[in-house]
Amino acid sequence: AQSVTQPDIHITVSEGASLELRCNYSYGATPYLFWYVQSPGQGLQLLLKYFSGDTLVQGIKGFEAEFKRSQSSFNLRKPSVHWSDAAEYFCAVGGDNDYKLSFGAGTTVTVRA
Amino acid sequence: EPEVTQTPSHQVTQMGQEVILRCVPISNHLYFYWYRQILGQKVEFLVSFYNNEISEKSEIFDDQFSVERPDGSNFTLKIRSTKLEDSAMYFCASHTLPAKNIQYFGAGTRLSVL
Repeated sequence: AQSVTQPDIHITVSEGASLELRCNYSYGATPYLFWYVQSPGQGLQLLLKYFSGDTLVQGIKGFEAEFKRSQSSFNLRKPSVHWSDAAEYFCAVGGDNDYKLSFGAGTTVTVRA
Repeated sequence: EPEVTQTPSHQVTQMGQEVILRCVPISNHLYFYWYRQILGQKVEFLVSFYNNEISEKSEIFDDQFSVERPDGSNFTLKIRSTKLEDSAMYFCASHTLPAKNIQYFGAGTRLSVL
């Protein structure tokens, strides 16, 4: 069965500081991995995705994530956060023949001035 | 940019009542999904729909739930007799091929069952 664990429920970071959100997955075949962001009152917006190839993927809003098969991880990073990055972040896994997504519980990011 | 639209944004209903949640997926998309998120819990898959039939459903999606694409643009989720535990945020998503599995999500409908 596929599953995703986001160990951090809530992270507070200062504006301008770096951010790393952790994601570990369990999937029986080659995983497709995603990070979505949800701002209050908004839908889930795709930040970035990994299907294959280069294990460091770039996304929108200055985010990047690194796929590490040996650690079953897909951590999200941003070098310098902006106040507008305050949101909830979801990691998700799916597959080539299994289109449904399994989500982690989400990490809420608070940005302090 | 095209988007998935969900209505209403908030639905309040009495226990035992029927509710219909509506979604307008992106127009050229072929696969449609409903997910839900109970407050404080994970986003959970409910059902996927392709070629006018359910392709997969979760254990949550019991006989009280049904989905329909009545007119080629709308995609609806019906809960026949709502329970308190159906209170959640319901998300609609859609995608096409060969965009692999990039699902585009709506803003959600918050269902409150009283």
